[in-house]
Amino acid sequence: SQQGEEDPQALSIQEGENATMNCSYKTSINNLQWYRQNSGRGLVHLILIRSNEREKHSGRLRVTLDTSKKSSSLLITASRAADTASYFCATDQGGIKAAGNKLTFGGGTRVLVKP
Amino acid sequence: DVKVTQSSRYLVKRTGEKVFLECVQDMDHENMFWYRQDPGLGLRLIYFSYDVKMKEKGDIPEGYSVSREKKERFSLILESASTNQTSMYLCASSFWNGLYQETQYFGPGTRLLVL
Repeated sequence: SQQGEEDPQALSIQEGENATMNCSYKTSINNLQWYRQNSGRGLVHLILIRSNEREKHSGRLRVTLDTSKKSSSLLITASRAADTASYFCATDQGGIKAAGNKLTFGGGTRVLVKP
Repeated sequence: DVKVTQSSRYLVKRTGEKVFLECVQDMDHENMFWYRQDPGLGLRLIYFSYDVKMKEKGDIPEGYSVSREKKERFSLILESASTNQTSMYLCASSFWNGLYQETQYFGPGTRLLVL
């Protein structure tokens, strides 16, 4: 399996409910990032959490990172129909600038928020 | 706001044609990336560049080449397009802070159909 795998692959919830998705990875990381993609569009950065951080908030988003379990979770509280999108985690495994300067993306979680 | 633009939103080409996809960013970012995105496979890195005239192969470079003659522009070239290169192509750029990969900013994507 690849670095940065999201779980579940798809999620369907009612507006107002919370949505939680998880990301697991295999190797040590410098940071982990979450992105959102609306259908047919580019990705938009949501939040970055560094390896020495355990939790981060941004508006209705809450991200946790457990480096001992090599996992992260993204919680969207009080979801809205506009939150319908695919969500991707991406890991920065570090290394020297030339060779390690890239992110590795997971397959994404498709979230449907029903009005 | 960071802006990453891609030369086309939709492109239809014939097998064997040479295809150029262009990406321009306006934030003076050192790093630029080309990904392809296919259903069930997530984002896969084709090539990236960390400086002008510098390039590194990503996970799936076969059948592609790139060019970075100016800092703001990163081109993806399909020397002889094939049907299995039908995909969504996403360009991204990011700032290197000397230690970590920072946020990647994505363009809107180019949906390429090779007939």
